[in-house]
Amino acid sequence: QLQLQESGPGLVKPSETLSLTCTVSGGSINSSTYYWGWIRQPPGKGLEWIGSKYYGGSTYNSPSLKSRVTISADTSKNQFSLKLSSVTAADTAVYFCARIHMRELLLDYWGHGTLVTVSS
Amino acid sequence: DIQMTQSPSSLTASIGDSVTITCRASQSINNFLNWYQQKPGKAPKLLIYAASSLQSGVPSRFSGSGSGTDFTLTVSSLQPEDFATYYCQQSYRTTLTFGGGTKVEIK
Repeated sequence: QLQLQESGPGLVKPSETLSLTCTVSGGSINSSTYYWGWIRQPPGKGLEWIGSKYYGGSTYNSPSLKSRVTISADTSKNQFSLKLSSVTAADTAVYFCARIHMRELLLDYWGHGTLVTVSS
Repeated sequence: DIQMTQSPSSLTASIGDSVTITCRASQSINNFLNWYQQKPGKAPKLLIYAASSLQSGVPSRFSGSGSGTDFTLTVSSLQPEDFATYYCQQSYRTTLTFGGGTKVEIK
């Protein structure tokens, strides 16, 4: 059974860079069938897609966040990571990682999510 | 971006009721539309993909329809575990977008 687990600091200071890692178990990120993505949800609000990464290189990011987002993959560790620069309080959210079917662009496996608070 | 608009933003219903949630895209997305259910403190769960295909393991009381710009999710005979928030997501473009969500509450 595929499992995804987010990890990283729960508190980040304004203007700094948020860094999260998603560790995938029960399957490999070296797949030509899937993207690996990040989604966030501010407290009490809806879902916002951040970006998707193909292990082989292609990356798609939200236009509203594009200049601040970097998604990378480490196939040796079966992990993919998110970096979001110049954070503000508006970036406070639960961050989810997920597997995305490349053809149907559906998200079928999700991590439990991790709350990141931006505060000094 | 393709904007996704859901309505209503919330609704109340009773056990056994049938409810319908609407999702509208800002441009035609053919049938590239997925539906998710999210319960408090949990990750979303895929219910329906390609507008009307039921994800494996999802009860048949969930159904989806629509194409182009207008889509619906129907839950027939609501069960206690169906009270949750539902989101649509367009899969027409690799820059994904979600609807704002519809919260289904117990009357």
